[in-house]
Amino acid sequence: DTVMTQSPDSLAVSLGERATINCKSSRSLLYSSKNKNYLAWYQQKPGQPPKLLIYWASTRESGVPDRFSGSGSGTDFTLTISSLQAEDVAVYYCQQHYSTPYTFGQGTKLEIK
Amino acid sequence: QVQLVQSGAEVKKPGTSVRVSCKASGYTVSSNYIHWLRQAPGHGPEWMGIIHPSDGYTSDAQNFRGRLTMTRDTSTSTLYMELNSLKSEDTAVYYCARDSALGGAYGGLFDSWGQGTLVTVAS
Repeated sequence: DTVMTQSPDSLAVSLGERATINCKSSRSLLYSSKNKNYLAWYQQKPGQPPKLLIYWASTRESGVPDRFSGSGSGTDFTLTISSLQAEDVAVYYCQQHYSTPYTFGQGTKLEIK
Repeated sequence: QVQLVQSGAEVKKPGTSVRVSCKASGYTVSSNYIHWLRQAPGHGPEWMGIIHPSDGYTSDAQNFRGRLTMTRDTSTSTLYMELNSLKSEDTAVYYCARDSALGGAYGGLFDSWGQGTLVTVAS
């Protein structure tokens, strides 16, 4: 199975500042023939299911604010929130959608400093 | 709008089985695969398996092979997940989630989720 490892486990950022979360895969998620990285990011707030934010490493899901962006290729990926808002407090997960079994990282808890 | 409505919380004893339902509506249910995932307290989600609502095709994760059964009722657009031989480690919130169908039949992207069903396994 593909192991997804996130860093840090938790992060405290001031309102309006940038937040950066990293994700490393145990194998490349680059599907060469399509030139796409099969990496997604989800946001989960307490008591709610995860919400899809980004897929193919950098494509925002419809309705997701543009302060959320994804980057990276191969085995190393980053989720960036350019200007943290209070409503962004949540746990963030990366997930590989390259092959079954689909696997998630352990999560990064984002809080306000 | 897309809705996946799951059945209520369950408390089960070790060695027994649990069945969770997921009623889909608000879209053409036959167009998208449905996944089952679970999330233990303090952990990331874990993918369990996938079912096609129309033809009943299923595929499950090796971790659950032999214990997991996924079925559907096409007349009510309801999907079911049954897990047997329950252990305390199966205590988790169980989710159904719709596959986005981006780029093909299914692609492992979960664009809509049910509200979750807490299953507690305790003696």
